[in-house]
Amino acid sequence: KAGVTQTPRYLIKTRGQQVTLSCSPISGHRSVSWYQQTPGQGLQFLFEYFSETQRNKGNFPGRFSGRQFSNSRSEMNVSTLELGDSALYLCASSLEARLSQETQYFGPGTRLLVL
Amino acid sequence: SQQGEEDPQALSIQEGENATMNCSYKTSINNLQWYRQNSGRGLVHLILIRSNEREKHSGRLRVTLDTSKKSSSLLITASRAADTASYFCARRNSGNTPLVFGKGTRLSVIA
Repeated sequence: KAGVTQTPRYLIKTRGQQVTLSCSPISGHRSVSWYQQTPGQGLQFLFEYFSETQRNKGNFPGRFSGRQFSNSRSEMNVSTLELGDSALYLCASSLEARLSQETQYFGPGTRLLVL
Repeated sequence: SQQGEEDPQALSIQEGENATMNCSYKTSINNLQWYRQNSGRGLVHLILIRSNEREKHSGRLRVTLDTSKKSSSLLITASRAADTASYFCARRNSGNTPLVFGKGTRLSVIA
């Protein structure tokens, strides 16, 4: 099976712009989670989706939003970009057999640089 | 903070030596997982240990869990240069809560 894919891999934006990142989970996986990784804050949870419904949301401002489509693909959007949004954005998918025992499979990430 | 905390933050060892990384947490857990991340890339799942398990092995990896001390350790035996990476523990408190990651241990294995 193909792994989790994320597009684009690299992105440069300027302050005030908006950006949309895409994630395609492993075939058959119905749960998708997003994380932001920075040197200072480490890995921080953004959202978790299952069957097009947002199941959990991290402590991020409303500028960060996401959605999941019927084919389980997911997108996240960041509006009005700030310098501090520069980070590696990681997407992970899981099968959802029993959530409490789920391991997550990560994509390679999208590295966003905000100038 | 609800994050797990890894210790040490950085570790440098010679090839062939064992590497031990520790993870502490504050609340009760359903399971604890260890992941590896090579420089700037996605994370790779290593081992999941359930709250009712005390030890688990996978190849050269050994994970222990002490729920009374709220801590876990990851042991890599006979380390190789290819083991150089950051290692993260992650925990899920209950079925529907998100996975919470610690800040990781940076392991350098010198050939």
